[in-house]
Amino acid sequence: QVQLVQSGAEVKKPGASVKVSCKASGYTFTSYALHWVRQAPGQRLEWMGWINGDNANTKYSQRFQGRVTIFRDTSASTAYMELSSLRSEDTAVFYCARGGVGATTVLDYWGQGTLVTVSS
Amino acid sequence: EVVLTQSPATLSLSPGERATLSCRASQSVNNIVVWYQQKPGQVPRLLMYTASSRATGIPDRFSGSGYGTDFTLTISSLEPEDFAVYYCQQRKDWPLTFGGGTKVEIK
Repeated sequence: QVQLVQSGAEVKKPGASVKVSCKASGYTFTSYALHWVRQAPGQRLEWMGWINGDNANTKYSQRFQGRVTIFRDTSASTAYMELSSLRSEDTAVFYCARGGVGATTVLDYWGQGTLVTVSS
Repeated sequence: EVVLTQSPATLSLSPGERATLSCRASQSVNNIVVWYQQKPGQVPRLLMYTASSRATGIPDRFSGSGYGTDFTLTISSLEPEDFAVYYCQQRKDWPLTFGGGTKVEIK
């Protein structure tokens, strides 16, 4: 079965960077896109960016442009999201989610989420 | 970017009742709207992958409609497991955007 398993919770200081991993299993890793979505406390889901399955091209939300990098290690079937220059407003749960077959912008499977707390 | 506005913010209903959730887009997104369900402490679950197409394994008490800017998710008869927050998402334009959610709570 499809599984996306994310790395554990992080606590970071303002100005630092965080890297969250997302290990995929149960499907061919390079056949599907992976998206990253942020959910701050009490806020709506917010799309951050994605990495294309076949060619590893990336696209980012303008809101995070310059601060977010998404990349992958195909040998480990793992995608990563790195967010830099953290501020308190970045405190949130970060999800990876798979883009569906034939509809890569439908998020059909989600990781369990990684809580990132930014605090001095 | 396309702004999605969901209403109402909270819907208080009893099991067996019909739930009607609305999602309005700031510009036309054709029928390319997705719906998710999220229960407390859980990850979002895909319900509808277009305005009217159910995802695999989703019961037929869930249905969707709409085109352009106005969309509706209907739950024909609420089961206890349906009390959750529902989000719409548009996938016509970048960036992908989500609505603010409708919480369906037990009355």
